[in-house]
Amino acid sequence: RKEVEQDPGPFNVPEGATVAFNCTYSNSASQSFFWYRQDCRKEPKLLMSVYSSGNEDGRFTAQLNRASQYISLLIRDSKLSDSATYLCVVKPRLGSWGKLQFGAGTQVVVTP
Amino acid sequence: DTAVSQTPKYLVTQMGNDKSIKCEQNLGHDTMYWYKQDSKKFLKIMFSYNNKELIINETVPNRFSPKSPDKAHLNLHINSLELGDSAVYFCASSLTASAAKIRQETQYFGPGTRLLVL
Repeated sequence: RKEVEQDPGPFNVPEGATVAFNCTYSNSASQSFFWYRQDCRKEPKLLMSVYSSGNEDGRFTAQLNRASQYISLLIRDSKLSDSATYLCVVKPRLGSWGKLQFGAGTQVVVTP
Repeated sequence: DTAVSQTPKYLVTQMGNDKSIKCEQNLGHDTMYWYKQDSKKFLKIMFSYNNKELIINETVPNRFSPKSPDKAHLNLHINSLELGDSAVYFCASSLTASAAKIRQETQYFGPGTRLLVL
């Protein structure tokens, strides 16, 4: 079983719609969670950290469910520029020296 | 203005050759990383250096040798290149939390080096 699993998609989303997708992780002791965004042929960039209570950053909302070991990302009012691959990232434990585990990504395609 | 830079951006070479990729960051970070992203898009960590000291060394063939001359630079040398080494190699850096603090350090990635071994 992969340490971080994501639905690869693609999720085809009309502009203005809402899209949500999850990511599951296998290590129950995982401490930190992130969503990174990767555009085609570009480097990954941090989209947002995911906090236990859930957090929102503009149109993006991230949730963490420790009991079921998944995190989610919801994008409201999708823009064409939201088309990208969204990488779920987990840091296994405290003091693990930044050893992040990446999912393979969920591709989102926003269409006009 | 470039935060994390890598050279070269593209590298096409023959099997068996030796090549190097260089990485530099101007963010004042103390930790640098090398990742490999294969055709299936998985990003896997290869190495990490904290203050020039090797702290993460994943199961990587010993044909790969990282070198960190100072905190701002982390280079990757690859000997006897093989077809399976073809991938995108990303350098990243972060300011690492001390063991006593809980802080979610962000990793900043370079633009990647696309390596194609023929």
